[in-house]
Amino acid sequence: AQSVAQPEDQVNVAEGNPLTVKCTYSVSGNPYLFWYVQYPNRGLQFLLKYITGDNLVKGSYGFEAEFNKSQTSFHLKKPSALVSDSALYFCAVRDRYTDKLIFGTGTRLQVFP
Amino acid sequence: GAGVSQSPRYKVAKRGQDVALRCDPISGHVSLFWYQQALGQGPEFLTYFQNEAQLDKSGLPSDRFFAERPEGSVSTLKIQRTQQEDSAVYLCASSWGLAGPTDTQYFGPGTRLTVL
Repeated sequence: AQSVAQPEDQVNVAEGNPLTVKCTYSVSGNPYLFWYVQYPNRGLQFLLKYITGDNLVKGSYGFEAEFNKSQTSFHLKKPSALVSDSALYFCAVRDRYTDKLIFGTGTRLQVFP
Repeated sequence: GAGVSQSPRYKVAKRGQDVALRCDPISGHVSLFWYQQALGQGPEFLTYFQNEAQLDKSGLPSDRFFAERPEGSVSTLKIQRTQQEDSAVYLCASSWGLAGPTDTQYFGPGTRLTVL
């Protein structure tokens, strides 16, 4: 079965510091990986996706993610965190046989001024 | 352009009532998905349409849940005889449906259902 894991329930970082939100995946075949962000009382906003090609994917709002096949990871990164980045972040993998997304449990990012 | 819209944004139902949740996808999007997000959890797949055809309903938790998309655009998720465990945020997403698994799903704001 395909799955993603987000090992950290919460990540705390000071404004201006780099941030990393971790995600590992378990799939058979090529993975199609996504990151979404959720603000309070809002739906999920798409940040970026990995399909194939360059292992460093750039997305919205200055976020990027690094695909690492040997470590089966797809960590979300940003060089300099903003207080406004504080939100809930979800990693997801596209199911190999259907088009549905399988989500992790989410990581709450708290950026302190 | 307009994104995915959902209505109502909030719904309170008494246990045993029927509810209907509406989703308006992005214009032209062929694929439409429903997900259920329990408090503190990630979204979980319920069902999937391609145009008006319901291709996958494996995530619907019981036969009290029913979804339709009769004209291939607006979709309605109906829950009959609501139970307290149905309390959750129901998210709708749509995608072009032309690129297969590389398509990006765009989500609406969700409907928060509370069953008393």
